[in-house]
Amino acid sequence: QQQVKQSPQSLIVQKGGISIINCAYENTAFDYFPWYQQFPGKGPALLIAIRPDVSEKKEGRFTISFNKSAKQFSLHIMDSQPGDSATYFCAASLGQYRKLTFGTGTRLTIIP
Amino acid sequence: NAGVTQTPKFQVLKTGQSMTLQCAQDMNHEYMSWYRQDPGMGLRLIHYSVGAGITDQGEVPNGYNVSRSTTEDFPLRLLSAAPSQTSVYFCASSTLATNEKLFFGSGTQLSVL
Repeated sequence: QQQVKQSPQSLIVQKGGISIINCAYENTAFDYFPWYQQFPGKGPALLIAIRPDVSEKKEGRFTISFNKSAKQFSLHIMDSQPGDSATYFCAASLGQYRKLTFGTGTRLTIIP
Repeated sequence: NAGVTQTPKFQVLKTGQSMTLQCAQDMNHEYMSWYRQDPGMGLRLIHYSVGAGITDQGEVPNGYNVSRSTTEDFPLRLLSAAPSQTSVYFCASSTLATNEKLFFGSGTQLSVL
């Protein structure tokens, strides 16, 4: 049972363009939504996160947009750079110890 | 700053063999966890621990055992390896106060033949 659905599976964006990755969740009890970035051969690393009481959070070129009524959230990467090429995972958590449920990942490639 | 250290980085096993994946962290984190990463399936939680002597199951615990005798170490044991356990395994840790921010190790790539 996939509680967090992520799309697209892969994405190619030209340098300087906007990369958009979407996630949808089913469990309305989720109350924390992070995005993790993973480079080849490395473990994932927290990129940015949002709680459902806000609709948008921006950190540099990275923005999370959150739509509570639609149960969707998305990652926007502005002015995408080749160094952004990585796999991105959305996730959601709830509960006392906040076990994360991850999406299936998006492999992003930024081409010159 | 070592962070989360996993060993080995690569391992090949035959079906039925047993082994232990090691994980150690030097950040005094209470929370430690093991995930497996498979193509098209993201990361799935195997087991987690919120402190020494306390462990619990995650989403896919079958075939794996864990124990937590110290704050620093959280080994993952495969008692009788199966081809379905071929995967990349990640250990992650965090404080309990902010345990959404997981710090991941660099992973162990395991192949079971």
